[in-house]
Amino acid sequence: AQRVTQPEKLLSVFKGAPVELKCNYSYSGSPELFWYVQYSRQRLQLLLRHISRESIKGFTADLNKGETSFHLKKPFAQEEDSAMYYCALHLSSGSARQLTFGSGTQLTVLP
Amino acid sequence: GAGVSQTPSNKVTEKGKYVELRCDPISGHTALYWYRQSLGQGPEFLIYFQGTGAADDSGLPNDRFFAVRPEGSVSTLKIQRTERGDSAVYLCASSLYAIARPGETEAFFGQGTRLTVV
Repeated sequence: AQRVTQPEKLLSVFKGAPVELKCNYSYSGSPELFWYVQYSRQRLQLLLRHISRESIKGFTADLNKGETSFHLKKPFAQEEDSAMYYCALHLSSGSARQLTFGSGTQLTVLP
Repeated sequence: GAGVSQTPSNKVTEKGKYVELRCDPISGHTALYWYRQSLGQGPEFLIYFQGTGAADDSGLPNDRFFAVRPEGSVSTLKIQRTERGDSAVYLCASSLYAIARPGETEAFFGQGTRLTVV
């Protein structure tokens, strides 16, 4: 069965410092990974997906199949980055279409 | 509407009662998903609809949980004989099509219904 692990429940960094949110997964198939973000009092929204190889709001994430990781990184954190971040693995098999989420990391960027 | 709408936003019910949670997806979205989020956890998949039919209900925890989408738009999640362990935030999401290939489409989430069973 697929599984997503986010080892840090809480992470605090100072404004301008680099930030890395860790995500590891286990899945026997070809992984499709996403990062979702939930700002205070807002709904869960997609931040980025590995297939797009994009940078959103300065964040990037590289899929490392050897280490089964998909860590989220930003070189210079901003206060507005404070939010809950979820790593998610997409399962697409037969009629199944579902996301398996990690337990989330609460990022706080201190002034 | 502009986004996925869920009602009510909060629901308090007594143990053993029946509840219905409603989801209005984005107009034109054919795929609809229900997730449950317990305190301190990430969302957990419950059920996925493609059109009117439940294509994957493997996440429903037991037969007290049931969901319908009779006309392929609005969906209702129904919970019978509620238990205190059912307390959670229930999230609904919709996408234009089912997420068949990465990058093809994106799931948009509602604000959720916070269910408290006392």
